[in-house]
Parts: sequence; C-alpha cells; structure tokens
Amino acid sequence: KAGVTQTPRYLIKTRGQQVTLSCSPISGHRSVSWYQQTPGQGLQFLFEYFSETQRNKGNFPGRFSGRQFSNSRSEMNVSTLELGDSALYLCASSRGQYTGELFFGEGSRLTVL
Amino acid sequence: QQQVKQSPQSLIVQKGGISIINCAYENTAFDYFPWYQQFPGKGPALLIAIRPDVSEKKEGRFTISFNKSAKQFSLHIMDSQPGDSATYFCAATYAGNNRKLIWGLGTSLAVNP
Repeated sequence: KAGVTQTPRYLIKTRGQQVTLSCSPISGHRSVSWYQQTPGQGLQFLFEYFSETQRNKGNFPGRFSGRQFSNSRSEMNVSTLELGDSALYLCASSRGQYTGELFFGEGSRLTVL
Repeated sequence: QQQVKQSPQSLIVQKGGISIINCAYENTAFDYFPWYQQFPGKGPALLIAIRPDVSEKKEGRFTISFNKSAKQFSLHIMDSQPGDSATYFCAATYAGNNRKLIWGLGTSLAVNP
C-alpha cells in the first residue's frame, strides 16, 4: 500500500512569489492535514480537510490556503512568500476526521530567498 | 487550555539505557494520546498511543505511562539503541467542540553507542 506522497520534495522560491504543494493521501483515507515544521517550533497545524471541506484551521495568515479534491488529493498554496515561510511542509492523511492516527508524507522543503 | 508541554527538549542516553520523555496537559477534554517518532528527512510516524482509560501500554521496548490525575503521560524506551536516535513528539487529541490534535514541541533523542 503506497504511503502519503508529497510533491515537490524540495523547492526554492524568492520573496513575493507563490507556491503550490501537492499531497496524495493513502488510498481510502479521506482526511488530509497540513503542518509547517521549523526548528524549535515543532509541528504547527495549518488546516485539515475531510471530504473536500476544510474542517479545521490553524493560526496562519490568509496567505496560506488549501483545498481538497474529490479523490482526496490535496494542495496547499502560499502566496506572497516571506523569508519566514521557509520550512518543511508536511501532509498527513487519516482514515477519518479528527483522529490522532496520522500517516505523514516526507514533506516538501521550501526555501524562500 | 489546549496545550501539551513536553520535556526535555533534548536527551542523550547511553546504549542500553532507558530514555524517558514526559508530557503534561491541562485540559481534561483530551481523549487520545499518541507518540510520534521522526527521523531526519522523514515525516513523523505513529509509534504508540494510549487512551485515558488505560494507565500503561507496552509495545516492544516502548511503553507509555499515563497518569490521569496528574495529567501527565510519558514515553519510556527500554534498552535504548542508536537506531532510536530521532525526534519524539507527544500529542493529544482535544475532544471539545473544535476537535483537533495538539502537539508537544518535540524531544531530540541521541543514543550514544
């Protein structure tokens, strides 16, 4: 059974640009969550989607957005990139919503110059 | 208060020793307590989890101890091995109106050979 797939794995952007990250969950999983991970800050929750609906949102500015498609694949977008957006962005899927049993991808490493 | 406080921030243990990581919470509305293990360059992976009606759960060398009255739970790694060197995150699922997973900030464990 394939795991959670995130693309791209690495990317470099400059300030002001925008970026779109993609996540393919484990087959049969309907919930997708996104996290930002930076050294010393742990895992910061961005949002959770279930059946194409955003069920929960973290404390991030509106520049961070996401969506989920009917096949449960998800994308997140960050507009007007700032240096502080440099981080590892992790996607996690789960069978249902609001569970603590998450299956993470390997992440997309974003560097903003 | 929806927080999970994790300690220590970093830990060095000799091979064969016991690694102990502690987490504390304040809100009694948490109902699921997972631990995740993250190796460099990888996403976190669910290691072991416990529900509040159980005081201890053991899986191989990994044990969760749960003290409901003290609102604390801990991860014990017996006979620690260099391959256990990773970052460990505790978490708790908040079961209130806005159900979500609350994370500790992580513990970086290094097991010396």
